[in-house]
Amino acid sequence: AQTVTQSQPEMSVQEAETVTLSCTYDTSESDYYLFWYKQPPSRQMILVIRQEAYKQQNATENRFSVNFQKAAKSFSLKISDSQLGDAAMYFCAYRRTTSGTYKYIFGTGTRLKVLA
Amino acid sequence: SQTIHQWPATLVQPVGSPLSLECTVEGTSNPNLYWYRQAAGRGLQLLFYSVGIGQISSEVPQNLSASRPQDRQFILSSKKLLLSDSGFYLCAWSVSAGGLNEQFFGPGTRLTVL
Repeated sequence: AQTVTQSQPEMSVQEAETVTLSCTYDTSESDYYLFWYKQPPSRQMILVIRQEAYKQQNATENRFSVNFQKAAKSFSLKISDSQLGDAAMYFCAYRRTTSGTYKYIFGTGTRLKVLA
Repeated sequence: SQTIHQWPATLVQPVGSPLSLECTVEGTSNPNLYWYRQAAGRGLQLLFYSVGIGQISSEVPQNLSASRPQDRQFILSSKKLLLSDSGFYLCAWSVSAGGLNEQFFGPGTRLTVL
C-alpha cells in the first residue's frame, strides 16, 4: 500500500528567508501525481503545487517550488522569501494515475511558523 | 468555474442526536466526491468516497454513513452521534477522468458533540 510520510511535525522560518518541507512516499507505481496543500488557520485546503511523476522537471509556482527525486521517492517543498501569510499546515499528497484509482493518500502534515 | 459548498459551517450537537452534513458541487459533472475528518492539529482521515450516484465506498467502519442522491450532492449522516465524532469535516471533489488531477476542498464543517 502507498504511504506518505512527513517527518517534520513543525518548522519555523524567519520572514523573507527560505524553508524546505520534507515529504517521502512509498509506491511501486511508476506514474502518479504528487501534491502540496496548504491549510491556513481558516482550515480551507488550498492547492499549492502539483507534480506529475513522468515529468522530470520540478514544478514551480511563484515562490513555491519542489525538489522531486523520483528514485529516492522524495518530494520536498521549498518556500522562498517566506511571508507571514505562509504560516499554515502543509500536507503532502499522492495519487496513482491508474484508471479507476480514486483515493488520495495524505501525509500527517507539517505546521509552518513564520517569524517576523 | 467550479465551486464546492458545505453546510452548516459550525454545528454543536448532543450525544445521541442525528447528524446530516451536506456538500454540493457546482460547475462540473460526474465528479468523484469525498468526505474527510480532521481532528484538531492532525491529518486527514478519508471516511467515504463516491464515484457516482448511489455508489459509496467506506474507508473506516464507524458510526457514520454517506449518501449521494444526486450527481453533485454528497451527504454525511449519523443516526446517533458519539463524542468521538467531534472534528472538522471536509468535503472534496476531483474530476472522474482526465484534466486536472488534484482534489478541491470545501470550506469544512466544525462539529462539536457534547
